[in-house]
Parts: sequence; structure tokens; C-alpha cells
Amino acid sequence: AQSVSQHNHHVILSEAASLELGCNYSYGGTVNLFWYVQYPGQHLQLLLKYFSGDPLVKGIKGFEAEFIKSKFSFNLRKPSVQWSDTAEYFCAAFSYSSASKIIFGSGTRLSIRP
Amino acid sequence: NAGVTQTPKFRILKIGQSMTLQCTQDMNHNYMYWYRQDPGMGLKLIYYSVGAGITDKGEVPNGYNVSRSTTEDFPLRLELAAPSQTSVYFCASILADEAFFGQGTRLTVV
Repeated sequence: AQSVSQHNHHVILSEAASLELGCNYSYGGTVNLFWYVQYPGQHLQLLLKYFSGDPLVKGIKGFEAEFIKSKFSFNLRKPSVQWSDTAEYFCAAFSYSSASKIIFGSGTRLSIRP
Repeated sequence: NAGVTQTPKFRILKIGQSMTLQCTQDMNHNYMYWYRQDPGMGLKLIYYSVGAGITDKGEVPNGYNVSRSTTEDFPLRLELAAPSQTSVYFCASILADEAFFGQGTRLTVV
């Protein structure tokens, strides 16, 4: 069965610290991967996406993610976080060849100390 | 181009009442989805549709129904509301390389 796992439920960092949030997926066939951010009280916004090509994907607000096929991973990174990055982050996977369902991870809550 | 539009944004229901959450997209996407989001649980797929006239169950379909008579609309129906259906509901559509989400509907069943 398809699944997406996020290992960190709650991450607390100080401003300027580096960030890495883990995401692993279990999907058959070609998979498309996303990271979404949800600020308090708001809907999901796309941070970045991977479909093919360069496995290092750059998104908005200084975020990037690396697709490592051998590890079934798509970790999100940011070199220096800001207080405004406080939000919940969701990894998601989609495949046209696997019942066309978008499957989300359980989310990681990121808290940044000023 | 409005994207994905959900209505209403907020609703309070009494136990046993019914209601329909509306979702409309103007991007001519075939793939549409309904999710519910509960604290610490991420987004769970309720139902999805790969085109007009085609719907299928997701992870948590019990207590819900959907229809897809047109490409644009994908309403979600709650027939007998229960407190366990208190949640935030998101509709989404996808085409090729991006998924678009509605603003969400916060539903409380009391």
C-alpha cells in the first residue's frame, strides 16, 4: 500500500539554525513528490515539487528538497530558518499509475524560537 | 481563474443533521479529492475522483458520500452528522505537476 512517512512530529529550532525534515515514501512506479506548508489558520501552500530531472529541487522562501530514489526519501531543508517559518509541513506523494491518490504524511510542526 | 473554491468556510451542525460541502474548480482538472485534517493526524483522504462520473473511496469514507456529475464540481455529502466528523475539510484538484487546494471548511458537529 502507498504511504508517506514523516518521522519528526514536532521540531523546535532557534532562528538561523539549519533545518532538515525527513520524508520517506512507499509507492510503486513513477512518483511525484511535494512539500506543502500550512501557516496557522491557513490552507496548504505548495513549497516545492519533484517530478523528474534534477533531484535537488528548489522552492519558495529558501527551501529545497532532495529526492534520493535509493532511499525512497524526499527530505526538506533550509540553511537558516526564520521565526516566520513557524508552521506545519506536509510531505505528499502522487502517482498516476498507483490509483491516482495523493497521499500525505502526518505532518511536522515546526516551532522557531525568536 | 479562481482555482479551487470551497463553501462554506465555517459551519456548525447538530448531531444527525445533513449538509453538503461544495467544491468547484475552474481549471478543467480531472482529478479531484476530499481530505479531512485532524490535529496531529495529517490529511486523510475521504473520497476522490479521476473524472466526471467516476468516484472512489479513500482511507476514511464512512459517513460521507460524493458525486461527480461535472468536471468542475465535486460535492461532499454528510448524511447524519456525528461528533467524530468535526474536522477541517479540504478539497483539491491536480493536473500534471501541481495540486491545488481550496481554503478549507471548518465543520463542528455538536
